[in-house]
Amino acid sequence: GAVVSQHPSRVICKSGTSVKIECRSLDFQATTMFWYRQFPKQSLMLMATSNEGSKATYEQGVEKDKFLINHASLTLSTLTVTSAHPEDSSFYICSARGVGFSYNEQFFGPGTRLTVL
Amino acid sequence: KQEVTQIPAALSVPEGENLVLNCSFTDSAIYNLQWFRQDPGKGLTSLLLIQSSQREQTSGRLNASLDKSSGRSTLYIAASQPGDSATYLCAVRSGGGADGLTFGKGTHLIIQP
Repeated sequence: GAVVSQHPSRVICKSGTSVKIECRSLDFQATTMFWYRQFPKQSLMLMATSNEGSKATYEQGVEKDKFLINHASLTLSTLTVTSAHPEDSSFYICSARGVGFSYNEQFFGPGTRLTVL
Repeated sequence: KQEVTQIPAALSVPEGENLVLNCSFTDSAIYNLQWFRQDPGKGLTSLLLIQSSQREQTSGRLNASLDKSSGRSTLYIAASQPGDSATYLCAVRSGGGADGLTFGKGTHLIIQP
């Protein structure tokens, strides 16, 4: 149990386009989902926290109008990188916390590698 | 602001050795601390989670300790194997209502056959 998937696993896009990344909890209901970003040789940095049916809470320095997060159901959250630029190239990982598991436990997806040309 | 530091940044040892990976955090007011494993280009696998009230957790050849007052945790790997090669990440969930995790940069571990 407690499987989180992400799609796509890898995406390459042109500068100025928008990219949507999906995060799904496959076998549990995710009341809270987290989005992290990891630059090469850096630690994972929390971008935002989203609770199902509510607006996401963004960390300081993360532009909410650029990184649109939607958590419309208990099994799906999406991150849309709008007007992507090369500096947005990174590894994006989601995690989920949910029904039936410890409140302290987050389950991570496999990540999405975004390359903006 | 919570900061997490991991030492060493990289480690290469022959298989069979016992290892200690170190993690320190600046704010001792944490809910829990977690050790993860990350394989290249992959997501994270949770190894051990230690609640703030606990001193250690064990799973197989892995043992993690927590000294909250001094802001330190160690991950002990016994009888290392080539399959243990990965990046090990330490993360803390801080108090004050914060839900997300603060990660260290990780220790890149290579176990030589």
